[in-house]
Amino acid sequence: KAGVTQTPRYLIKTRGQQVTLSCSPISGHRSVSWYQQTPGQGLQFLFEYFSETQRNKGNFPGRFSGRQFSNSRSEMNVSTLELGDSALYLCASSLEGRTEETQYFGPGTRLLVL
Amino acid sequence: SQQGEEDPQALSIQEGENATMNCSYKTSINNLQWYRQNSGRGLVHLILIRSNEREKHSGRLRVTLDTSKKSSSLLITASRAADTASYFCATVPFYGGATNKLIFGTGTLLAVQP
Repeated sequence: KAGVTQTPRYLIKTRGQQVTLSCSPISGHRSVSWYQQTPGQGLQFLFEYFSETQRNKGNFPGRFSGRQFSNSRSEMNVSTLELGDSALYLCASSLEGRTEETQYFGPGTRLLVL
Repeated sequence: SQQGEEDPQALSIQEGENATMNCSYKTSINNLQWYRQNSGRGLVHLILIRSNEREKHSGRLRVTLDTSKKSSSLLITASRAADTASYFCATVPFYGGATNKLIFGTGTLLAVQP
């Protein structure tokens, strides 16, 4: 089975622009979560989706949004980029999104905001 | 911040030695998990311990959990150069609802010298 894939792998944007990141979960997985990793704040939870519904949201401003499609693929969007949005964005998938399921992480999208 | 803390922040040992990492967290949990990350790539799930368990083993890994102290430890025995990575603990908070949101610790950078 193919693992979690994320596109693009690397991205450079300038302040004020917007960006869309994509995540394709493992085939059959219905739950997708997103995390932001920075040297200063570490790994922080962004969103959790299950069957196209946002089930949980982290403490991020409204500039961060996401969605999940009927095929379980997920996208996250960041509008009006700020320098502090530079980070590694990771998505993870699991079968049913249950609390004790193993989550499988993708390789991440590294975003640099100039 | 709900983020947990890990110590030490960095650990350098020789191949064959044991490595112990500690994690403290703040909220009631459903379970606690340990992940490994190589050089800023995706996270790999290592082991999960439920809130009603005290110790768990998987290969060379041994995890303990003390919910009264809100702490956990990860022991890697007979370490190898390939174990060089960052290790993160992550808790799934007890919300009483369906979620697999992870709250990560600050991480321990382990370097195993050949």
